[in-house]
Amino acid sequence: GAVVSQHPSWVICKSGTSVKIECRSLDFQATTMFWYRQFPKQSLMLMATSNEGSKATYEQGVEKDKFLINHASLTLSTLTVTSAHPEDSSFYICSARTPLKGRKDTQYFGPGTRLTVL
Amino acid sequence: AQKITQTQPGMFVQEKEAVTLDCTYDTSDPSYGLFWYKQPSSGEMIFLIYQGSYDQQNATEGRYSLNFQKARKSANLVISASQLGDSAMYFCAMREGRGGATNKLIFGTGTLLAVQP
Repeated sequence: GAVVSQHPSWVICKSGTSVKIECRSLDFQATTMFWYRQFPKQSLMLMATSNEGSKATYEQGVEKDKFLINHASLTLSTLTVTSAHPEDSSFYICSARTPLKGRKDTQYFGPGTRLTVL
Repeated sequence: AQKITQTQPGMFVQEKEAVTLDCTYDTSDPSYGLFWYKQPSSGEMIFLIYQGSYDQQNATEGRYSLNFQKARKSANLVISASQLGDSAMYFCAMREGRGGATNKLIFGTGTLLAVQP
C-alpha cells in the first residue's frame, strides 16, 4: 500500500512552453500532497503544499504564478510549470501524506519527474 | 539555523558490515517526528523508518534501526549487514508538531553511502 505515481517520469521542452506534472496516490486518498524540487547533489526543497479543494500554500520565494498547483481530487495533484526556462530544469518530486493504520503520519513519495528545459 | 544536520557528505562501508549515518536536529516543539529516506540513483524517495518524539523505544525496521537520543537531539540511522543495494543517498527529515495534514518535512543535506564488496 501507499503507492504514489508521477507522470511523466521525464520531460524535455522548449523554453517558453508550459509543462504539467501529475501526482497520483494509487491506493489511498490524500487530502494533502506536497511538491518538492531537487537540484543535482542537493537536498529536497519544499515548494508548496497542495490541499484538496482549496488553494495551495507556497513556500517563501516560490512564485505561485510560475508553478501552478491544482488538487482537484483526493488522488490527484498537478504541478504546471508555466513559461518554463532553462533555470526551471530540475527534479520535481511529489509526496502524499497517508494516515494509514500503523503508519505514523508518513509521507510517501512519487518516483519524481526530471524536467529539462532547452 | 539549520534544523536538520547531516555532517557526513559521504561514507564507505564494507559489505556485510554495519554503518551509522548521523543526524542531529533542532526544534523547540516537544512533539515532532523524525524520518529517514533512501534515494537511489533512480531518484525515488523510499521511506525507511520513523521515530516519534514520545516513542519510548528506538524504532526498528528490518536491517534499519534508529538510535534516538532525545537529550542530544540526535537520530542516527544504523544499517546492519550492509548490502550492495544499500548504496544510495540517505536523507534525515523532521516534521514538527503532532502531524496533521499540513505539517511539512524539513530535510537534511543527505549522506551518500557507498557499499564496497
